[in-house]
Amino acid sequence: KNQVEQSPQSLIILEGKNCTLQCNYTVSPFSNLRWYKQDTGRGPVSLTIMTFSENTKSNGRYTATLDADTKQSSLHITASQLSDSASYICVVSLLGGQGNLIFGKGTKLSVKP
Amino acid sequence: DSGVTQTPKHLITATGQRVTLRCSPRSGDLSVYWYQQSLDQGLQFLIQYYNGEERAKGNILERFSAQQFPDLHSELNLSSLELGDSALYFCASSVLSWGANTGELFFGEGSRLTVL
Repeated sequence: KNQVEQSPQSLIILEGKNCTLQCNYTVSPFSNLRWYKQDTGRGPVSLTIMTFSENTKSNGRYTATLDADTKQSSLHITASQLSDSASYICVVSLLGGQGNLIFGKGTKLSVKP
Repeated sequence: DSGVTQTPKHLITATGQRVTLRCSPRSGDLSVYWYQQSLDQGLQFLIQYYNGEERAKGNILERFSAQQFPDLHSELNLSSLELGDSALYFCASSVLSWGANTGELFFGEGSRLTVL
């Protein structure tokens, strides 16, 4: 069964600290992996998209890594800010366009002053 | 601002009723996708349209239906509503069809449906 599992479910960190969110997937055939940021009650906003051949991709203070062999991805947030408080969603896309993205349930990050 | 517009933002209705949610995609985007997000749950794919035609179907109930009009806006119709249908409904758009699934998805702000 195609699944995307994220950990931790929730995380609280102090402003200025770094953190890493994990994503494990069992999706096949794999096309690409995306990380989205979703503020409470708002629509998700894309952070990165990585294909099979990409190991690392950065977007400002956000760095995503992908290990296609172990089917794991991580999102590292550097020097966190209060505005980073949100849910971070890992999404894996199936190859061939079977008409579906497989969404993780997200990690809820709270950054405290 | 993603450029995807959804209306209404909030909707409260009673069980058994019918509602229509509307989505206007970004200018130039031909694909529209509908997702349901229940409380503390991940987004569940409902249905996709590309240039007016249904392209893919996910976990959409028979009580739900959608269509995409010639001007590319889309409507999601929810009927015989139940308490469990209370959720955020998101629309997303992309320029590409699902076959080229490296395309970026742009999400609207969602329509929050509360069924009492």
